[in-house]
Amino acid sequence: GAGVSQSPSNKVTEKGKDVELRCDPISGHTALYWYRQSLGQGLEFLIYFQGNSAPDKSGLPSDRFSAERTGGSVSTLTIQRTQQEDSAVYLCASSPRQGGQPQHFGDGTRLSIL
Amino acid sequence: GDSVTQMEGPVTLSEEAFLTINCTYTATGYPSLFWYVQYPGEGLQLLLKATKADDKGSNKGFEATYRKETTSFHLEKGSVQVSDSAVYFCALTLNTGGFKTIFGAGTRLFVKA
Repeated sequence: GAGVSQSPSNKVTEKGKDVELRCDPISGHTALYWYRQSLGQGLEFLIYFQGNSAPDKSGLPSDRFSAERTGGSVSTLTIQRTQQEDSAVYLCASSPRQGGQPQHFGDGTRLSIL
Repeated sequence: GDSVTQMEGPVTLSEEAFLTINCTYTATGYPSLFWYVQYPGEGLQLLLKATKADDKGSNKGFEATYRKETTSFHLEKGSVQVSDSAVYFCALTLNTGGFKTIFGAGTRLFVKA
């Protein structure tokens, strides 16, 4: 497709389980961002990938959160030992060039921790 | 720390009314400023941007001017339409070795016919 694709669109899981969220950016976009949006809150920056450079992980809230980007394209955000406060919409965005703001967002993954 | 503050919503206006959504920021250095919009059922999309002081970003009848002296980037539109109903997010990008974009909490706009 032409846009940023995220999967799954919805995920419900039990507290303590691990989850993986996937993002397919727009083809050729070198920058990729992960954000999360909790109910009634703004977007919270999590992590930023740019080409082959070391990612900016400064927004990850705890060591339970990690992300990878394989081959400069698809990215996976992993949350281990999920907690109820992890419930949020996780958004991925991509941008065609280094230093650019996120231009194209996916529809997000709505994560609910029971 | 670096942050973006925007007016709380929801904002409810009648069609053809004048819109202002206030946004102020706190940042070290000289950020670029943005407005994003999220229409019902759609993903976030970039609406307009300004990269330096006194720049005016504009798109779809919306405007915002980068005011360094007041650290503001208020969004305005002279005559809103029902189709402008959406959530609007103010954001900044810090160009300090990384390119972290920080968002405000969003302001929901309802426009009545």
